[in-house]
Amino acid sequence: NAGVTQTPKFQVLKTGQSMTLQCAQDMNHNSMYWYRQDPGMGLRLIYYSASEGTTDKGEVPNGYNVSRLNKREFSLRLESAAPSQTSVYFCASRGGAIYEQYFGPGTRLTVT
Amino acid sequence: DQQVKQNSPSLSVQEGRISILNCDYTNSMFDYFLWYKKYPAEGPTFLISISSIKDKNEDGRFTVFLNKSAKHLSLHIVPSQPGDSAVYFCAASGGTGNQFYFGTGTSLTVIP
Repeated sequence: NAGVTQTPKFQVLKTGQSMTLQCAQDMNHNSMYWYRQDPGMGLRLIYYSASEGTTDKGEVPNGYNVSRLNKREFSLRLESAAPSQTSVYFCASRGGAIYEQYFGPGTRLTVT
Repeated sequence: DQQVKQNSPSLSVQEGRISILNCDYTNSMFDYFLWYKKYPAEGPTFLISISSIKDKNEDGRFTVFLNKSAKHLSLHIVPSQPGDSAVYFCAASGGTGNQFYFGTGTSLTVIP
């Protein structure tokens, strides 16, 4: 099992460019999450999907959109990147009644 | 407003001694708490958790204590080992369990 995979690992964007971060899990989990990690801020929830076909906003959703493509895949889109979106992005999944989340290795995004 | 706080950004401990990491929360609706460990350039990995119906949970060298009246939890690592050097995040969830709130992390260094 690969667990949770994320692509790309690194990305540099110019202000105003768009991109999609991809996430996939092979654990048959219902719930998937997108977080960003910034120095001194911990992990903050951007969006989550409690089950296939549903998505909900987290703490910091502005500037982002998500798509739960199927049970395995959950993508995060930046339509017009801003320097404030420079961060490390983590995708996570969780199954059933279990609270523990499984995290991917992260995507380091720099917006110049 | 940070609902989960880790007030110590860093902690250094001698190998073999006890490490105590602390976490405070403000939302009385939180009913499940987790600790994650994170190495550089990797995603967080689940370490140990506790439900609000308990005040202690133990797993090998790791013990989590919950004081609901003080809205405080702590992670004890005994004995500490150099491989424990990492950033530790506490997280909390309540209600549906779909949203998780993370602290800002404590960087633990175990000195050989």
